[in-house]
Amino acid sequence: DVKVTQSSRYLVKRTGEKVFLECVQDMDHENMFWYRQDPGLGLRLIYFSYDVKMKEKGDIPEGYSVSREKKERFSLILESASTNQTSMYLCASSSGLGGPYEQYFGPGTRLTVT
Amino acid sequence: AQSVTQLGSHVSVSEGALVLLRCNYSSSVPPYLFWYVQYPNQGLQLLLKYTTGATLVKGINGFEAEFKKSETSFHLTKPSAHMSDAAEYFCAVNQAGTALIFGKGTTLSVSS
Repeated sequence: DVKVTQSSRYLVKRTGEKVFLECVQDMDHENMFWYRQDPGLGLRLIYFSYDVKMKEKGDIPEGYSVSREKKERFSLILESASTNQTSMYLCASSSGLGGPYEQYFGPGTRLTVT
Repeated sequence: AQSVTQLGSHVSVSEGALVLLRCNYSSSVPPYLFWYVQYPNQGLQLLLKYTTGATLVKGINGFEAEFKKSETSFHLTKPSAHMSDAAEYFCAVNQAGTALIFGKGTTLSVSS
């Protein structure tokens, strides 16, 4: 079974703090993704990575950065957290990019910025 | 660009009734289509996917979906709803070389 784990289920941070969200997958997948999920908006892609040290912007990259130093780990960084970044963050991985390859999701991190 | 539209943000059914969740897509190339389910406070789980071949796709938990190219639709159905089916459902399309594109989701409520 593919397993995608996220470092925290719930996180509360203050405005202006630097926030790290960690994601680890155990299936040697090439591709990893970060989404944010908001009611009525579905899932929106923030960044994805198709290889170690490689990254691509998604639909809403502003205010975020990512890091992928090892194949199994993909980190999302909020350089200076703001209240409008309060959301559910979902990490995913896949063996291929696009096409018939499904993505496997972690349980999510619910981030609250106060 | 590819996109997905889910008709109805909220669907309510009685236990034992038919479940029908609607999904329409736009794509300039043959699509790869997915349905995911999200139970409260959990991540997304794959229900089923259409790649090529048979247009009626069977998934987990008794769900199935039919790919209709002429209608650009991929509606999800289940003959008889169970209380445990209450969740949020997402339709998604895959674009070559990038990530899944999701619809906005449909919340399914099941009453006894």
